[in-house]
Amino acid sequence: GAGVSQSPRYKVAKRGQDVALRCDPISGHVSLFWYQQALGQGPEFLTYFQNEAQLDKSGLPSDRFFAERPEGSVSTLKIQRTQQEDSAVYLCASTRGVAGVVSYEQYFGPGTRLTVT
Amino acid sequence: AQKVTQAQTEISVVEKEDVTLDCVYETRDTTYYLFWYKQPPSGELVFLIRRNSFDEQNEISGRYSWNFQKSTSSFNFTITASQVVDSAVYFCALSEATPGTYKYIFGTGTRLKVLA
Repeated sequence: GAGVSQSPRYKVAKRGQDVALRCDPISGHVSLFWYQQALGQGPEFLTYFQNEAQLDKSGLPSDRFFAERPEGSVSTLKIQRTQQEDSAVYLCASTRGVAGVVSYEQYFGPGTRLTVT
Repeated sequence: AQKVTQAQTEISVVEKEDVTLDCVYETRDTTYYLFWYKQPPSGELVFLIRRNSFDEQNEISGRYSWNFQKSTSSFNFTITASQVVDSAVYFCALSEATPGTYKYIFGTGTRLKVLA
């Protein structure tokens, strides 16, 4: 596709349920990032993939959060046993180059708004 | 430690006024990148500009201009002759170009309201 796509756009989960959020980056983009954006705040870094390798997961808030990108394209962010504090917009972004030496402009998807009730 | 501060939470202007959005950053690295993004009501962040720490030239793109001053660690964004379509939340972001460092640090954003 032309841009980064994410699904679902909206997700309502009951506390304790597991959720899976999907990101489809721009074709050919090597780098993929996940962010969490709380209401009225800027995006907060969660994790970074270079192709299929997860090189940085320092931003994941707890071990209930897990991300993967097994074939170096589509990525899934999974949250187990959701809590109310997990309610936020989850953004995915991709860049054409490898992060860490040169920082490229990120292209963002529309986000998934997760509401935990 | 990396930090980005956008002290202006919300700004309201009347259409055709000029407006400047402030961004102050902190980093210990000598090589870093700065960015501005626009987040319209639809929610998707749109890339506006990228600047590396070695290029202090100001940039103009249509009604948009950016002023990068390393001496004050600021990267301010000015919209000339604002329009209603400029209404959005604007984020400034910083990334250190250090091997093993992958984070982009965003400020808390400035909500710009342009009134007709």
